Amino acid sequence: GQGVEQPDNLMSVEGTFARVNCTYSTSGFNGLSWYQQREGHAPVFLSYVVLDGLKDSGHFSTFLSRSNGYSYLLLTELQIKDSASYLCAVKLPNYNVLYFGSGTKLTVEP
Amino acid sequence: NSKVIQTPRYLVKGQGQKAKMRCIPEKGHPVVFWYQQNKNNEFKFLINFQNQEVLQQIDMTEKRFSAECPSNSPCSLEIQSSEAGDSALYLCASSWDINTEVFFGKGTRLTVV
Repeated sequence: GQGVEQPDNLMSVEGTFARVNCTYSTSGFNGLSWYQQREGHAPVFLSYVVLDGLKDSGHFSTFLSRSNGYSYLLLTELQIKDSASYLCAVKLPNYNVLYFGSGTKLTVEP
Repeated sequence: NSKVIQTPRYLVKGQGQKAKMRCIPEKGHPVVFWYQQNKNNEFKFLINFQNQEVLQQIDMTEKRFSAECPSNSPCSLEIQSSEAGDSALYLCASSWDINTEVFFGKGTRLTVV
């Protein structure tokens, strides 16, 4: 099967930062997407990366290392409302199918 | 914000009953996906379409599940004979083509009692 792994939980403090890690082991790679999902709601698209390096998108930044099968989502200047699950999904070359990790639940404390 | 519309938001069915849910993809998006997300937040790809043509589907979909994306009508996913294990959030998503970002609807939460 396709392996996409994320830690289950992550805690951080308002005003600081949080890094959500994702490692993958898949048969092929055609990009990696990050989604935010709140309890009972659909995933909301945040970022898509296909090239190595850091992609700065302001509040959210993403990093990819294809040789290491590793990505992270970096959230800066955390707010309480950033508390949610963050999903990593690897896109395989076959018809754009996404293989999701089970998500990291981020809790931002005051 | 995603403009993928899914109906109904909630669906309750008895075991053995049919369960049907619909999806209107974002305007102009020809590629449509269906995913199942279970109570452990695990995603399972079910099927995808480009226009009306099936691109890929898993074995489960080929048996009790059926799906279609007719022209000028909503896409649909139907479970012929619901089982307790089908209780999940069913997510529809669309994209411009097979190489671009995928956007999700709010989902249909199916409960099979």
